[in-house]
Amino acid sequence: GAGVSQSPSNKVTEKGKDVELRCDPISGHTALYWYRQSLGQGLEFLIYFQGNSAPDKSGLPSDRFSAERTGGSVSTLTIQRTQQEDSAVYLCASSVSGTDNEKLFFGSGTQLSVL
Amino acid sequence: AQKITQTQPGMFVQEKEAVTLDCTYDTSDQSYGLFWYKQPSSGEMIFLIYQGSYDEQNATEGRYSLNFQKARKSANLVISASQLGDSAMYFCAMREPPFSGGYNKLIFGAGTRLAVHP
Repeated sequence: GAGVSQSPSNKVTEKGKDVELRCDPISGHTALYWYRQSLGQGLEFLIYFQGNSAPDKSGLPSDRFSAERTGGSVSTLTIQRTQQEDSAVYLCASSVSGTDNEKLFFGSGTQLSVL
Repeated sequence: AQKITQTQPGMFVQEKEAVTLDCTYDTSDQSYGLFWYKQPSSGEMIFLIYQGSYDEQNATEGRYSLNFQKARKSANLVISASQLGDSAMYFCAMREPPFSGGYNKLIFGAGTRLAVHP
């Protein structure tokens, strides 16, 4: 596609439910990132995928969070047993090859609200 | 630990004037990269400009320039001839090592909200 696509754009869920957030990166981009942006804050790194390498999960805040990337393209971020503190905008980004100085292309994010 | 500080939560500027958005950083690494991103109300993060720690010249991209003062660990963004469409959140970010092997993890500051007035 023309840009990074994320769905849904908004998600309202009840505390304790599981949610799945989807990211379609730019076609051909091998590097994919997930960030979280809480209200009025900067971006917090969650996880990074590069090609077929094992993902860097060092930013995931708890074991309730997991992510996968199928076929080197689409990625899904799953939050189990959601808590109110999980409410945030979840941003996905991709880059061509993940090299050092490369700019990231971001999607418009998924606004998650946990009631 | 690496850290990005943006001390201006909000800034106002008159259309067609220049504005400087402050960013200071803290790192013990000799090699690092600094980025500025714009986030309009749509929520999408838009890359503006990049400065490498070994770059001798200040980076420029159209109306954007980066005032890089390495000794002071500052990387201020200068927007010349402000336009109404420049109203947005602006984030300073630093590439966090390890940088080799294609790992481009960025840490972000809290951001500055810029409002351009006609």
